[in-house]
Amino acid sequence: EVQLLESGGGLVQPGGSPRLSCAASGFTFSNYALHWVRQAPGKGLEWVSAISSNGGSTYYADSVKGRFTISRDNSKNTLYLQMNSLRAEDTAVYYCAFRGTRGGDYWGQGTLVTVSS
Amino acid sequence: DIQMTQSPSSLSASVGDRVTITCRASQGIGNDLGWYQQKPGKAPKRLIYGASSLQSGVPSRFSGSGSGTEFTLTISSLQPEDFATYYCLQQNSFSWTFGQGTKVEIK
Repeated sequence: EVQLLESGGGLVQPGGSPRLSCAASGFTFSNYALHWVRQAPGKGLEWVSAISSNGGSTYYADSVKGRFTISRDNSKNTLYLQMNSLRAEDTAVYYCAFRGTRGGDYWGQGTLVTVSS
Repeated sequence: DIQMTQSPSSLSASVGDRVTITCRASQGIGNDLGWYQQKPGKAPKRLIYGASSLQSGVPSRFSGSGSGTEFTLTISSLQPEDFATYYCLQQNSFSWTFGQGTKVEIK
């Protein structure tokens, strides 16, 4: 069974630098591109970042470019999101997700990041 | 970047009604579009992929159509459990784009 488990969220001060993790199991992690998607309270879904299967290519939404860094460790089956210079508008539930084969679509349960002093 | 324009932003409907939601892409994306349902406090659940393929386990009252830049999600007969927020998502490139969402409420 495919599982994605995010961690690392919590209350962070403005300007803080938490790192989110997404631990994966139940599939060949190194075969798939992975994504971070977020949802601010009461708002819609927003794609944040993506990384290719081997980590060689990364992609970012304009809203986080230059502040967030996506990475992965294929030996640990773990996806990361290093978040720097956090602002109040970064408050959201952060999901990791990927598109599998044969119509597969997988999301974690999300981790809440609250940026507040 | 590809922009997705979803309409309407909300709608009120009754059980048994036929409901249609539309998404328009700013450039052609072939059929690389999914439709998601989200209920409060839950992760999104995909209903349709490839613009018109029904996700396994999803009731057949949900259907999708379109290609290129115009896409439609139809619920043929709205059920009580269908009251939720719906999003389209283009996955034509590594940089995904969601529509703004459509909240389906009880009339």
